[in-house]
Amino acid sequence: EAGVTQFPSHSVIEKGQTVTLRCDPISGHDNLYWYRRVMGKEIKFLLHFVKESKQDESGMPNNRFLAERTGGTYSTLKVQPAELEDSGVYFCASSQATTDTQYFGPGTRLTVL
Amino acid sequence: AQSVAQPEDQVNVAEGNPLTVKCTYSVSGNPYLFWYVQYPNRGLQFLLKYITGDNLVKGSYGFEAEFNKSQTSFHLKKPSALVSDSALYFCAVRAYDAGNMLTFGGGTRLMVKP
Repeated sequence: EAGVTQFPSHSVIEKGQTVTLRCDPISGHDNLYWYRRVMGKEIKFLLHFVKESKQDESGMPNNRFLAERTGGTYSTLKVQPAELEDSGVYFCASSQATTDTQYFGPGTRLTVL
Repeated sequence: AQSVAQPEDQVNVAEGNPLTVKCTYSVSGNPYLFWYVQYPNRGLQFLLKYITGDNLVKGSYGFEAEFNKSQTSFHLKKPSALVSDSALYFCAVRAYDAGNMLTFGGGTRLMVKP
């Protein structure tokens, strides 16, 4: 069974540009989560989808971040415009049931110059 | 609010010796506790979890963790460390009745020397 996959693995962009990160959850997992780790600090929750609906987006830092999960399969996280402080590693995770273990992808390392 | 503390940025241990990576937590209500490991250039890999029941939880690669409610701790242990255990370890907590977001500690780098 394939795990959670994320694309790209690494992205380097200029401040003010737009970047879109993609996450493909484990097949059959209705729950999808985004987290990020910036500047070597704690991994922080961003948001949680149940199928295509946003269940909890309390961790989204500001309106420059937009997450979508059309069709309840893969998800995208767009940062527009990117700022220097957005640099970090963005992780995606999925779980079958809401209370199940969350399985993480390899992450996307975002560098904003 | 829930929080996790991993008091050691780095733990050094000799191969073959026992290892402990410390974790304490704060949460309202009953906690779900997790350990994840990140190997170089890899994602977070699930190691083990405590939901309920026996306080000693066994996980992957010979790791185990002990839930201590009175000390609000969930330390990760292994009887005999391997060089290949060298990695970044994260403790996480989720409150039983407060959403599904995981709250992580800052991570502890484990270095196992031959």
